[in-house]
Amino acid sequence: AQSVTQLGSHVSVSEGALVLLRCNYSSSVPPYLFWYVQYPNQGLQLLLKYTSAATLVKGINGFEAEFKKSETSFHLTKPSAHMSDAAEYFCAVSRWGTALIFGKGTTLSVSS
Amino acid sequence: EAGVVQSPRYKIIEKKQPVAFWCNPISGHNTLYWYLQNLGQGPELLIRYENEEAVDDSQLPKDRFSAERLKGVDSTLKIQPAELGDSAVYLCASSLDGGSAGGAHEQFFGPGTRLTVL
Repeated sequence: AQSVTQLGSHVSVSEGALVLLRCNYSSSVPPYLFWYVQYPNQGLQLLLKYTSAATLVKGINGFEAEFKKSETSFHLTKPSAHMSDAAEYFCAVSRWGTALIFGKGTTLSVSS
Repeated sequence: EAGVVQSPRYKIIEKKQPVAFWCNPISGHNTLYWYLQNLGQGPELLIRYENEEAVDDSQLPKDRFSAERLKGVDSTLKIQPAELGDSAVYLCASSLDGGSAGGAHEQFFGPGTRLTVL
């Protein structure tokens, strides 16, 4: 069975600081991995996805994530946080022919 | 291009009443998903359609929940009767193809319907 664990339900950073949101997955076969962002009262928007090509994946809004098979991790990073990055972030995993399995989410707060 | 449309955006009902949610996916998207998102949690799949066929409804509480996707386009999710624990956000998503390409295709999400059961 597949599962996703997001470490830290709430992360706070200062504007301009590094953003690091952690995600570990469990899958018996090579997975597809995703990061989604959700702003208040809105649906989820895809930030980036890993589909077994390059292990370092670049997404929108300056975010990137690195797939590390040995650590079963897919952490999300951004070099410099912006106030507009404050939102809920979800890591998700899937396999061929299945729907997404989401983690519980991490709330990112950005202070000035 | 229009995104996934859901209505209503908000619904407040008394327990034991019926309620229905509507979803219009992105044009040309064969796969449609209904997810349940409880407060402080990630979305959980309720049902997945490939065209008009429900290919994964194992997590749908069939005693009170039902869904349909007529003509393989719009979809309706119904709860009858609603219970207090059904209060949540119901998200609809669509993708080009959830089968042959598996989960690699991006799922596009609607804004959701926030249900409050009193």
